[in-house]
Amino acid sequence: KAGVTQTPRYLIKTRGQQVTLSCSPISGHRSVSWYQQTPGQGLQFLFEYFSETQRNKGNFPGRFSGRQFSNSRSEMNVSTLELGDSALYLCASSLALAGNYGETQYFGPGTRLLVL
Amino acid sequence: GNSVTQMEGPVTLSEEAFLTINCTYTATGYPSLFWYVQYPGEGLQLLLKATKADDKGSNKGFEATYRKETTSFHLEKGSVQVSDSAVYFCALSDEAGTALIFGKGTTLSVSS
Repeated sequence: KAGVTQTPRYLIKTRGQQVTLSCSPISGHRSVSWYQQTPGQGLQFLFEYFSETQRNKGNFPGRFSGRQFSNSRSEMNVSTLELGDSALYLCASSLALAGNYGETQYFGPGTRLLVL
Repeated sequence: GNSVTQMEGPVTLSEEAFLTINCTYTATGYPSLFWYVQYPGEGLQLLLKATKADDKGSNKGFEATYRKETTSFHLEKGSVQVSDSAVYFCALSDEAGTALIFGKGTTLSVSS
């Protein structure tokens, strides 16, 4: 079974631009979560989508948004990019809601975003 | 709020040495606990997990026991290899149904 895939793997943008990242979950998985990883803040939860609905949201500004399609694929969008948005963005999928008892999340390789 | 605290790294060991990476947590109720590993340039891979007190998770020679009384989930391996060099993250998922909460990560470097 194929793992979680993310595209693109690397991205360079300039301040003020917007960016869209894509995530394809493991086949059969209905939940997709997004995390931001930076050296200073570590791994921080952005949001989770399940059955095309946002179920949980972390403490990030409204410039960060996402959506999920009927095939469970998910996209994450960041508008008006700032230098501090430079990070590794990780997508994770799970069969059920990520917070369900004992539910395991499986991570993709990430998209490394550099904002200049 | 819920949180995970890991020992500061980096941890530098010689091949075949014993490894312990400490992890303690703060959470209400009975969270599920996880160890993830991140190799250079890659995403996170699940290493092991435990879902209730006194459970022991194990995989690839790594072990961790869910200790409710000490709120700990320390990672151990009896004999590390150079290929174990990576960053290790302890994480929890609480009963309220939130997403994973991660520790800061511990970098392990194993030399031959």
